[in-house]
Amino acid sequence: SYELTQPSSVSVFPGQTARITCSGDILSKKYARWFQQKPGQAPVLMIYKDTERPSGIPERFSGSSSETTVTLTISGAQVEDEADYYCYSAGDNIWVFGGGTQLTVL
Amino acid sequence: EVKLVESGGGVVQPGGSLRLSCTGSGITFNNFWMSWIRQAPGKGLEWVAKMKEEGSEKYYGESVKGRFTISRDNAENSVHLEMNSLRAEDTAIYYCRVVVSTTDFDYWGLGTLVTVSS
Repeated sequence: SYELTQPSSVSVFPGQTARITCSGDILSKKYARWFQQKPGQAPVLMIYKDTERPSGIPERFSGSSSETTVTLTISGAQVEDEADYYCYSAGDNIWVFGGGTQLTVL
Repeated sequence: EVKLVESGGGVVQPGGSLRLSCTGSGITFNNFWMSWIRQAPGKGLEWVAKMKEEGSEKYYGESVKGRFTISRDNAENSVHLEMNSLRAEDTAIYYCRVVVSTTDFDYWGLGTLVTVSS
């Protein structure tokens, strides 16, 4: 079965760069997505196809990929970026989510 | 605007059954795979089930195989999740999702809460 591994938490000060990694063998073959989820809300798509940003998502959010690891980077993190972030990828017949990373912007 | 609305959640005893529904607007259901994803209280996201446009293919997460069944009614723009032999660990918010691979077409409902408790 596929697994995606994320750090459980990341902390930065406002204005700093936050990086959240996601690792898994499936990522060498399949694209990843990143979701942001705030308390009591449904997940929101932040990055798809490893590096693409949907319209309406701030430019400070970017994605990168290398071998079996993808990274979500928030350049100049803001207080409103504090949330849980999940990576996701799709195999042939299964979907898999990472365990989630709680981002704290102190 | 694409909108997905889940319904059917509630409190059910262990071993019981529940049927969730998701109704969509702003899209033509029979053009898309539809899926269910859940999130236990304070936990991460877990894929539950997905179903091909015309229903010929269905796939399930390991934890629900043999107990849950996904179905759809394209004429009604709806997808359903029949949940049997429910366990305490099935307690979660259940989200309906529609996504097109390699695009930013990725929409979720607000979810419906299922609580399995005696």
